[in-house]
Amino acid sequence: AQSVAQPEDQVNVAEGNPLTVKCTYSVSGNPYLFWYVQYPNRGLQFLLKYITGDNLVKGSYGFEAEFNKSQTSFHLKKPSALVSDSALYFCAVRDPKGFQKLVFGTGTRLLVSP
Amino acid sequence: DAGVTQSPTHLIKTRGQQVTLRCSPKSGHDTVSWYQQALGQGPQFIFQYYEEEERQRGNFPDRFSGHQFPNYSSELNVNALLLGDSALYLCASSGASGANVLTFGAGSRLTVL
Repeated sequence: AQSVAQPEDQVNVAEGNPLTVKCTYSVSGNPYLFWYVQYPNRGLQFLLKYITGDNLVKGSYGFEAEFNKSQTSFHLKKPSALVSDSALYFCAVRDPKGFQKLVFGTGTRLLVSP
Repeated sequence: DAGVTQSPTHLIKTRGQQVTLRCSPKSGHDTVSWYQQALGQGPQFIFQYYEEEERQRGNFPDRFSGHQFPNYSSELNVNALLLGDSALYLCASSGASGANVLTFGAGSRLTVL
């Protein structure tokens, strides 16, 4: 069965500094990987996905993620953090043979200080 | 273009009661999935509906049931509510293609007392 691990409950970074939110996955076969962001009292918003192709994926709001098959990781990155990036971030994996069912990690809270 | 809409946004029930949550998918989407997000946890897949039938189900008891209507909207029903059913219930819609991104609604927050 597929699974996702987000080892950090919270990541703290100063505005203007680069940020990384970590994610590792376990899935049989080639993974479909996603990052979503959740703001207070809001649903999940899609940031980016990896299906196939280039290992560096660019997404919304300046975020990008690097797929590393040998390390089974899909870390989310941004070169320069904004205070408005403060939110809850979820990594998710989908079984490519399934019907769009996503398995989410437990989430990482990103706090960007001014 | 409206995204995914869910109702009600908040509701409070007591143990043993039944609840119905509603979801209208994004325009052009025909597949609806439901997720349960407990406090401090990631969303957990409940089930998915396509062509008015349950296509896939997660590890949830039969107390959780659903329905999809011809206009693609959907309902989630939970019977015999338990305290542990308190959570944010998220509806997500997508096209039929397997690689399509899920679009989530803002959720219905259920509190069971």
